[in-house]
Amino acid sequence: GQNIDQPTEMTATEGAIVQINCTYQTSGFNGLFWYQQHAGEAPTFLSYNVLDGLEEKGRFSSFLSRSKGYSYLLLKELQMKDSASYLCVFNQGGKLIFGQGTELSVKP
Amino acid sequence: GAVVSQHPSWVICKSGTSVKIECRSLDFQATTMFWYRQFPKQSLMLMATSNEGSKATYEQGVEKDKFLINHASLTLSTLTVTSAHPEDSSFYICSARDVGSVLSGNTIYFGEGSWLTVV
Repeated sequence: GQNIDQPTEMTATEGAIVQINCTYQTSGFNGLFWYQQHAGEAPTFLSYNVLDGLEEKGRFSSFLSRSKGYSYLLLKELQMKDSASYLCVFNQGGKLIFGQGTELSVKP
Repeated sequence: GAVVSQHPSWVICKSGTSVKIECRSLDFQATTMFWYRQFPKQSLMLMATSNEGSKATYEQGVEKDKFLINHASLTLSTLTVTSAHPEDSSFYICSARDVGSVLSGNTIYFGEGSWLTVV
């Protein structure tokens, strides 16, 4: 079976840094994605980790530890527009399995 | 521009009727497409994997006779919600992978989603 666990909601201040953690258990693993989703819209791709380590892309970074079944998404220099749901998603042979999502609220 | 087109974006139907949602890959071939459902304030839930030229693979708990999936060509998959009920009201979204490319975040594309309201 598979299981993904991430916090339901988080609040952070504009300009700050926030880390969203994700732990997973799965019988098959081919990589882990992070997506951003605004209400009523399709998910937007943020990052994809296949190997252990940190992937940095502008204000967003994602980390993966396969042995620990752990990933995090790091958002720097938070902006109000970053208020959204952040989805930890793992790839099971091309089939995306979505976590429940973390609703991030950025306050001024 | 969008590489996966989903239609309709919004649909309202009467209880007991059927509704068809289309998912098209516009400039690539997709032997496999995926259908998801999302209820308010919840994450996307995979419903089924649509396979071109063969039967769809449904996730546990999803009624295959209620959610009919047809993948008749390499660029089109359809989801038909049969005998719709108000509890079927949800956001339905498809995704497709460009099999001609190496799997990465940039080669999995989502449709725009379809809001279904059953009254």
